[in-house]
Amino acid sequence: AQSVTQLDSQVPVFEEAPVELRCNYSSSVSVYLFWYVQYPNQGLQLLLKYLSGSTLVKGINGFEAEFNKSQTSFHLRKPSVHISDTAEYFCAVSDKVRGGKLIFGQGTELSVKP
Amino acid sequence: DAGVTQSPTHLIKTRGQQVTLRCSPKSGHDTVSWYQQALGQGPQFIFQYYEEEERQRGNFPDRFSGHQFPNYSSELNVNALLLGDSALYLCASSPGTAEAFFGQGTRLTVV
Repeated sequence: AQSVTQLDSQVPVFEEAPVELRCNYSSSVSVYLFWYVQYPNQGLQLLLKYLSGSTLVKGINGFEAEFNKSQTSFHLRKPSVHISDTAEYFCAVSDKVRGGKLIFGQGTELSVKP
Repeated sequence: DAGVTQSPTHLIKTRGQQVTLRCSPKSGHDTVSWYQQALGQGPQFIFQYYEEEERQRGNFPDRFSGHQFPNYSSELNVNALLLGDSALYLCASSPGTAEAFFGQGTRLTVV
């Protein structure tokens, strides 16, 4: 079984500052890793994914994440945030089966202030 | 190309009633999964359909059932609704790869 822990429930940050949203996972098998973003009253949009290869993954909207196998972490980073980045962010894992189910963390609310 | 579409977007039901939610997957996607997202929580996996059969199931009671049609669209049925079933229900489709595409969700309120 897999589990995901997002270490911060809320992250307030000023516009143009850097941000890191932390995610740790637990699994007895190899997994795929994902970050999704959810804007108010909307579904989930994929930001980036790690399937294999380079541990530094670049996604949409200037976000990137680094897979650290030894620390079982997959932290999300952005060097300079915008007001429009205000949203809920979810880290998720899935096992490596066809269209495997996603196990989500509890979410991190990113609030970007002017 | 239309993405994943869900209907209805909102609905209100009374305790004990039954509800059916619908999902049309993204074109070419043959795998459909359903998730329940309670307020302030991450989505929880309900079940997944592939080739018209339930392939995986999460920790949800039998009151939650589903169906997949030959055109890959899917329904989620919930019987004997409880107040605790109030949530955003998300449908996700996949072409069989690791990436899932989500719809906008159906907001169910049970009163």
